[in-house]
Amino acid sequence: KAGVTQTPRYLIKTRGQQVTLSCSPISGHRSVSWYQQTPGQGLQFLFEYFSETQRNKGNFPGRFSGRQFSNSRSEMNVSTLELGDSALYLCASSLGGARGYGYTFGSGTRLTVV
Amino acid sequence: AQRVTQPEKLLSVFKGAPVELKCNYSYSGSPELFWYVQYSRQRLQLLLRHISRESIKGFTADLNKGETSFHLKKPFAQEEDSAMYYCALRTGGGNKLTFGTGTQLKVEL
Repeated sequence: KAGVTQTPRYLIKTRGQQVTLSCSPISGHRSVSWYQQTPGQGLQFLFEYFSETQRNKGNFPGRFSGRQFSNSRSEMNVSTLELGDSALYLCASSLGGARGYGYTFGSGTRLTVV
Repeated sequence: AQRVTQPEKLLSVFKGAPVELKCNYSYSGSPELFWYVQYSRQRLQLLLRHISRESIKGFTADLNKGETSFHLKKPFAQEEDSAMYYCALRTGGGNKLTFGTGTQLKVEL
């Protein structure tokens, strides 16, 4: 079966712009989560969506937002980009909230803000 | 607040030697622990879940609630084990994972 697909793979944006990243989960997976990975901070949780509802949220400013569609695909948006937003953004999908299920991660979108 | 600590940034062992990657967690509730691995130029992938008590690629990990640890072990390291290993803690409802900072395992010949 197809894995988690993230598009685009690479992005270069200018400070102040906004960006939208896309994630298609594994078929049948209803939970989609987003993580930011940087050399300095490691892997940090952004938010999780389950059945089109945000179920969990990390400690990121309101410039970071997301949504999930009825087909479980998810988008993440970052407005007013800052240099510090440069990172690898990972999407992960899971069957749901039951104990024992792990995540399947995508390859990520590498965002560079200049 | 929950926290995951991986004290070693880099662990270097010789092929055939035992491996132990340390992971300690801080959480007041009932924890659920995972180990994830990232091989060079590959995506992050699930290695082990404590709840399944399985052995994958020769690796095992036991949850020790008394010591709040979930160390990853393998009796004989192989060259292909060289990778970045992350310990992760899932808390509460939903799928929020708190990751440790990772340990780079290097297996030398």
